[in-house]
Amino acid sequence: AQSVTQPDIHITVSEGASLELRCNYSYGATPYLFWYVQSPGQGLQLLLKYFSGDTLVQGIKGFEAEFKRSQSSFNLRKPSVHWSDAAEYFCAVALALRGNKLVFGAGTILRVKS
Amino acid sequence: EPEVTQTPSHQVTQMGQEVILRCVPISNHLYFYWYRQILGQKVEFLVSFYNNEISEKSEIFDDQFSVERPDGSNFTLKIRSTKLEDSAMYFCASTKNMNTEAFFGQGTRLTVV
Repeated sequence: AQSVTQPDIHITVSEGASLELRCNYSYGATPYLFWYVQSPGQGLQLLLKYFSGDTLVQGIKGFEAEFKRSQSSFNLRKPSVHWSDAAEYFCAVALALRGNKLVFGAGTILRVKS
Repeated sequence: EPEVTQTPSHQVTQMGQEVILRCVPISNHLYFYWYRQILGQKVEFLVSFYNNEISEKSEIFDDQFSVERPDGSNFTLKIRSTKLEDSAMYFCASTKNMNTEAFFGQGTRLTVV
């Protein structure tokens, strides 16, 4: 079955430290890949996306993600975390040619300690 | 910057009542979606809508649910007879075409009591 896995439910990092949030997917073909962020009580904001081409993609707020086909992964990274990055992060995939129906991972809650 | 807007932000309703959640997608977008997020759970796809008809729906989207685009700007989700388990955050989203990123609204928190 098609699925998206975010193995870390919670992650705590110190402000200024680097961050990597993991995402793995299980699909028969390469899907379109996304990371969204949700602050408490807020909607889902798109951080970045991968459709094709360069496997390292840059997003907003200093985030980047790397698509690794061999590992079926799309991990999100940031070199230096700010306290305002505390939020819940969702990895999502959409199958090409099936419209943009998104399948979401369970989310990773990021806490930032000062 | 264009955005998806949803109203109301929070709605409380009694079990068995009908509710209508409203969304105004981005104006030049052609595909519209509803998702829901039960507290503490994943964001789940409900339905997609294109060219004035449903293009795909999930198992969650049963006969109690319906969607409509009554005019050129609004996109609504109706739940005919709400149940306690319908309590969730409902997100509307839109995309410009089939294979572009989705933009989400701020959500409507529905509480069924």
